Order: sequence, then C-alpha cells, then structure tokens
Amino acid sequence: DAGVIQSPRHEVTEMGQEVTLRCKPISGHNSLFWYRQTMMRGLELLIYFNNNVPIDDSGMPEDRFSAKMPNASFSTLKIQPSEPRDSAVYFCASSLEENSPLHFGNGTRLTVT
Amino acid sequence: LAKTTQPISMDSYEGQEVNITCSHNNIATNDYITWYQQFPSQGPRFIIQGYKTKVTNEVASLFIPADRKSSTLSLPRVSLSDTAVYYCLVGEGSSYKLIFGSGTRLLVRP
Repeated sequence: DAGVIQSPRHEVTEMGQEVTLRCKPISGHNSLFWYRQTMMRGLELLIYFNNNVPIDDSGMPEDRFSAKMPNASFSTLKIQPSEPRDSAVYFCASSLEENSPLHFGNGTRLTVT
Repeated sequence: LAKTTQPISMDSYEGQEVNITCSHNNIATNDYITWYQQFPSQGPRFIIQGYKTKVTNEVASLFIPADRKSSTLSLPRVSLSDTAVYYCLVGEGSSYKLIFGSGTRLLVRP
C-alpha cells in the first residue's frame, strides 16, 4: 500500500498563475478530501468527494478554487489565478468509507509570490 | 459539532508516559472521539478512536470516563520520535464533518 500520493511536493509560483495540485487516493477508498493548513487557520476542509462526486464544497474559499475527481484514482485541486494568500500546505486524504479514519498524503507546500 | 479543548503544548522526557487530556463538554450521544498525530512536513495520521471506557492499540490507549465529557490519550514510554502535534476530534462519525482544532504540541526531550 503506497498510501495517498500527492504531487508536486513543493510548488512555487507567481501571483496570477494557475496552480494544479494532484492526488492519487489509496486504491479501494471511496472518499476523498482536500484540506489546507496554515499557521493562522490550522487544518481546514476544502472539499469532500464520495464515489467521485463532490458532496460538500462549502470550505472552498472562492471561485478561484476548483476541484475535480474524474475517476476513483485521481483528483485535482486547481487555483486560478493564484494569490499570495493562497500560500499554504494542501493535503489530500482518502478513507475507505465516509465514516472511516482518514489517510493523509504528505501534502503540497504552495508558495505564491 | 462538539467543541474540544486541549492543552496547547506539553513537554516530556524519553521513557515517560504521556497523558494528553481533551475536554468535550457538549459531546452528543452519537459522537465518537478520534485522535490524530501529525509530524512536521507530514499529513495527520489516525491513532485511535473510541466511544466509551477504554480502547487500546499498539500505539496508544484512550480512556473515556462514564460521562464522556473528556478523554485522555495515553502514550506509554515515549521516545523522541513521538514529538508531534496531537489532535482530538469529536463527531458523529462522518470524517468530513470532523474539525481539526489547534492540537497539542508534544515535545519529547532526551
């Protein structure tokens, strides 16, 4: 079991650029989550998918953020255009079922200059 | 969702037992108590979950009194590698509804 795989590990970009973060959940898990972690706000849920369908996206900060899950083994989180305040560590997590423990990836550290 | 309160930080020494207490006064009947551990530059990792009394696994024990208004995560004989942030979460079970608070930053010294 390779765990949840996220890429890239680090991303540095300039304000206004498009950023795409990628996630491969654990095989067989049917729930996928995107979180953002900052010193000020801690760990915040952005969006939750169940069986590839977005269930709750109330945590997505604004329209600049979008997430997709085209199949059970892949998800993306896109920020367009990016802003310095988007700088954070973005985590993807998956779980076997909706109420099962979360398995997190190692995150993508995003820096927007 | 039940609000949780836990110490911001704790210090310990190698070989000691560490107990981290979490208060959740307004826990609901259907709520479970879940603990996660986060090392620097890594995502949180599930440690243990319980509903009442005592739960033990290879990593930790979770003690929950009868009124369930608090819980204690017990780490036996900690080592330097147990230095991490520990989060206490309380909720009905749906993972996405659980809220990560500030956690407890545990520092284990030699």
